[in-house]
Amino acid sequence: SQQGEEDPQALSIQEGENATMNCSYKTSINNLQWYRQNSGRGLVHLILIRSNEREKHSGRLRVTLDTSKKSSSLLITASRAADTASYFCAIGGYQKVTFGTGTKLQVIP
Amino acid sequence: DTAVSQTPKYLVTQMGNDKSIKCEQNLGHDTMYWYKQDSKKFLKIMFSYNNKELIINETVPNRFSPKSPDKAHLNLHINSLELGDSAVYFCASSQGRVVVEQFFGPGTRLTVL
Repeated sequence: SQQGEEDPQALSIQEGENATMNCSYKTSINNLQWYRQNSGRGLVHLILIRSNEREKHSGRLRVTLDTSKKSSSLLITASRAADTASYFCAIGGYQKVTFGTGTKLQVIP
Repeated sequence: DTAVSQTPKYLVTQMGNDKSIKCEQNLGHDTMYWYKQDSKKFLKIMFSYNNKELIINETVPNRFSPKSPDKAHLNLHINSLELGDSAVYFCASSQGRVVVEQFFGPGTRLTVL
């Protein structure tokens, strides 16, 4: 299946540091999305990057996409305690997205 | 205003029972989904409806039957519940068939005893 594989599975950093998480996938994509899930809540869409784009920014978020390596990364700069959550990449295609395995981020105040 | 709502938030029931989860979205989207998230946080799509038409059924046991009375509602009925059905079930919605952004409900935690 087209499930994304994310690494690391878990990441613990100090407030103010940057956090980077990676997603790899296997086949061609229409787009790649990143979502955040706070504990006990639903997923929230963060950012989408299309297959013909290489980099995208949104506030403190920076996403890159390398279609030749079939990988994407999400960088959160100047992390805050409120960024503590699980982050999922989602391989976007026609009619559905397939979610990755997730990275659990802990930001220590 | 809640964009995607689900009821109930928690559901505890015995094996063999039948239960339903309801979902409603007020975003005007034409596509709705059901996902199952297991204890390892793996999120797997179960069903997708576009304009009340079933477009995705990901090899889900036929004990699970989705029903979409209109574009704003997608309900999930589960017959003969099993222990392995315990999970968090999420409803989501989006616009169009090329998925660019999904809006998720708060989830329903189902526990089968």
